[in-house]
Amino acid sequence: QKEVEQDPGPLSVPEGAIVSLNCTYSNSAFQYFMWYRQYSRKGPELLMYTYSSGNKEDGRFTAQVDKSSKYISLFIRDSQPSDSATYLCAMKEIGANSKLTFGKGITLSVRP
Amino acid sequence: KAGVTQTPRYLIKTRGQQVTLSCSPISGHRSVSWYQQTPGQGLQFLFEYFSETQRNKGNFPGRFSGRQFSNSRSEMNVSTLELGDSALYLCASSLAAGSGETQYFGPGTRLLVL
Repeated sequence: QKEVEQDPGPLSVPEGAIVSLNCTYSNSAFQYFMWYRQYSRKGPELLMYTYSSGNKEDGRFTAQVDKSSKYISLFIRDSQPSDSATYLCAMKEIGANSKLTFGKGITLSVRP
Repeated sequence: KAGVTQTPRYLIKTRGQQVTLSCSPISGHRSVSWYQQTPGQGLQFLFEYFSETQRNKGNFPGRFSGRQFSNSRSEMNVSTLELGDSALYLCASSLAAGSGETQYFGPGTRLLVL
């Protein structure tokens, strides 16, 4: 079993839809949870960063972490064609190293 | 402020050759991490450097090595290239080492091994 599992997709939605992206994980030591967005031929760009459980909102994006279920989600409201990209969840253990463990990513396409 | 830069952006090599990739972190950042991204395995951690010292290493063979210079710039080297080493190699920098630090990624170097 991989440490981080992410729905493989791809996912195609119409403009204006609410998008839900999810990851599950098995390592209880993960304490920091991130969502990165990666456009084609670019490096990943940090979207959301959450420590431990709870919700965090930033504009049209909401990140949720449920540590009891080992489940994290990213919601995108009023999706736009410019949101079309690959979305990667990433996690870190607490401690002195910076190692990120990633899900494999899901490719989202928002149709105009 | 300039972001993370990686050179070269694209590289074609043949099996058995070696390759060196370079990463310049964001100004003031002292920690550099390297990742390999492939369609099959996704993003996998290679190693992390802070203050010229390797702090952590992923599960890759010894053919993969790296180093960091006093100005925080980092290089990674892959010797005796194999076809399976074809990938996007990403560098990420952060202010310091540690789980609370935000990592910023460069655009990557795309390596093709023939």
